[in-house]
Amino acid sequence: DTGVSQDPRHKITKRGQNVTFRCDPISEHNRLYWYRQTLGQGPEFLTYFQNEAQLEKSRLLSDRFSAERPKGSFSTLEIQRTEQGDSAMYLCASSLAPSGSADTQYFGPGTRLTVL
Amino acid sequence: AQSVAQPEDQVNVAEGNPLTVKCTYSVSGNPYLFWYVQYPNRGLQFLLKYITGDNLVKGSYGFEAEFNKSQTSFHLKKPSALVSDSALYFCAVRDPYNFNKFYFGSGTKLNVKP
Repeated sequence: DTGVSQDPRHKITKRGQNVTFRCDPISEHNRLYWYRQTLGQGPEFLTYFQNEAQLEKSRLLSDRFSAERPKGSFSTLEIQRTEQGDSAMYLCASSLAPSGSADTQYFGPGTRLTVL
Repeated sequence: AQSVAQPEDQVNVAEGNPLTVKCTYSVSGNPYLFWYVQYPNRGLQFLLKYITGDNLVKGSYGFEAEFNKSQTSFHLKKPSALVSDSALYFCAVRDPYNFNKFYFGSGTKLNVKP
């Protein structure tokens, strides 16, 4: 089964450090999403890629956050100068659809970030 | 703004009994509604979706959901609960004017007791 994979599954870091997460979507999925989920809440949209183009960013995505999807395959999410408030589960999802259709997102297992 | 609400933080049901997890939505335009399930330390798994057509949608693991436009609801149901159904359930709505945007509810924890 080649579902969405994320690496690492857990990351503990000290405040002020930079972290980078990777997401490998389902093969041939052209859309890729990043979400953040805090305890007791549903996922919140962070950003979205159509192939290699980052088409939308949430206001939640401060300038300390950057995401890339080179070549339209895997994606990375980097957080610079981490803060304790960044502690959360970071979820990646992918989907396959032509533009404008109501496709289904398939989620990875998430990366749990703890900032000390 | 688009949103969904899950009015119950937790639902308790005995194994073998029917279960219902509630979801109401607020959407301008035609709603695209989804249910996902999340097990501990896992990502979300897709259960079912309503786009158009029959109001009763059947999904994975014996779950179904009923779309009710007049009550703006999309409740998740299962005729006979299993202990293994115990998990966190999320309702979500897709913005009909921006398919890139999903809005999730806060989740309902389902506890199925033997």
